[in-house]
Amino acid sequence: DVKVTQSSRYLVKRTGEKVFLECVQDMDHENMFWYRQDPGLGLRLIYFSYDVKMKEKGDIPEGYSVSREKKERFSLILESASTNQTSMYLCASRPTGGHTDTQYFGPGTRLTVL
Amino acid sequence: AQKITQTQPGMFVQEKEAVTLDCTYDTSDQSYGLFWYKQPSSGEMIFLIYQGSYDEQNATEGRYSLNFQKARKSANLVISASQLGDSAMYFCSNRGDSSYKLIFGSGTRLLVRP
Repeated sequence: DVKVTQSSRYLVKRTGEKVFLECVQDMDHENMFWYRQDPGLGLRLIYFSYDVKMKEKGDIPEGYSVSREKKERFSLILESASTNQTSMYLCASRPTGGHTDTQYFGPGTRLTVL
Repeated sequence: AQKITQTQPGMFVQEKEAVTLDCTYDTSDQSYGLFWYKQPSSGEMIFLIYQGSYDEQNATEGRYSLNFQKARKSANLVISASQLGDSAMYFCSNRGDSSYKLIFGSGTRLLVRP
């Protein structure tokens, strides 16, 4: 079974803090993704990575950066957290090729910025 | 631009009955994929079913089936014999104009009544 883990289920930070959200997958997938989920808006793509050290902006990259130094790990960084970044953050991974583009998700990190 | 529309923010269904969750999509791509995910209160997104745009038959996975009407650009999820554990948020999504991206609808919250 594919397993995607995220470092924290719940996180509370203060405005201006630097925040790291970690995601690890154990299935050797090339592609990894970070989404945020807000009520009424569904999931929106922040960044994705299709290979080590490669990254592409998604639909809402402002205020975020990412790091992928190893294939299994994809980190989301909030350089200076703001209250409007309070949200649920979901990481996903997907292999390249195959019949479908199914993405496998982690359990999510609920971030609150005070 | 790609877009997914889920017009039902919430639905009720009686246990053991069938329920249909609506999804319409907008895409200019000739080849695309449609996905349904389930998100229980625990937060993890669980992949349910996939339909490719060139698949001639509607996809089925156990109690889940996808009513794919290509000309109408709809991809409704049908859950047969609802169970209490089916209570969750359900998201429809489309593989976007890049093969890496999934575009999500705003979701439908399903509550199964005993």
